[in-house]
Amino acid sequence: QTVVTQEPSFSVSPGGTVTLTCGLSSGSVSTTYYPSWYQQTPGQSPRTLIYSTNFRSSGVPDRFSGSILGSKAALTITGAQADDESDYYCMLYMGSGISVLGGGTKLTVL
Amino acid sequence: QVQLQESGPGLVKPSQTLSLTCTVSGGSFSSGNYYWSWIRQPAGKGLEWIGRIYSSGTANYNPSLMSRVTISGDTSRRQFSLKLSSVTAADTAVYYCARDRLGTWYDFDSWGQGTLVTVSS
Repeated sequence: QTVVTQEPSFSVSPGGTVTLTCGLSSGSVSTTYYPSWYQQTPGQSPRTLIYSTNFRSSGVPDRFSGSILGSKAALTITGAQADDESDYYCMLYMGSGISVLGGGTKLTVL
Repeated sequence: QVQLQESGPGLVKPSQTLSLTCTVSGGSFSSGNYYWSWIRQPAGKGLEWIGRIYSSGTANYNPSLMSRVTISGDTSRRQFSLKLSSVTAADTAVYYCARDRLGTWYDFDSWGQGTLVTVSS
């Protein structure tokens, strides 16, 4: 079964820029995988940030952006803030009705 | 504004069947634009997609859980349900339901608050 890969952890300084990635154990991610990104803080439900590669969900600040970088989907946070410290999950659509979530990246802002 | 609410027993015995229901309020339940998904998260671990259902009754499942999972819907009650059979401690998790935009934007755009299910004797 294909595994969706994410960095287990990442850190960024306040005001800095960070790019989290979402890859495949085999092959490259493209827009046809419709990558989406979710933010989750402890004890809360996930919040949708980005869908279909680069569309921001309603109410999401424009410091969050999505793209394809090389062979991976990417979530970039420009001008990181303290409350961006969260877990971030990507999801890819594999076709035939199957979606797969990545293992998540724990982002620390310090 | 759509809202989703999970409900069901918080404790299930090993080898029994876990049953949860998600009630949808606001928005359209049987609109052709939406599917409805279940996702779970063991404590301290990542999210896992379990499966989805369309208003027609068509369902898709995570291959790793397919042999134990059934998702069904009741459009008249604006509910969809999850049944997971032969549970073990590894099925202990927070279970979320979500509105699923498969076929349009391929994301989950609304989530329930989640419900903790513990598998223990």
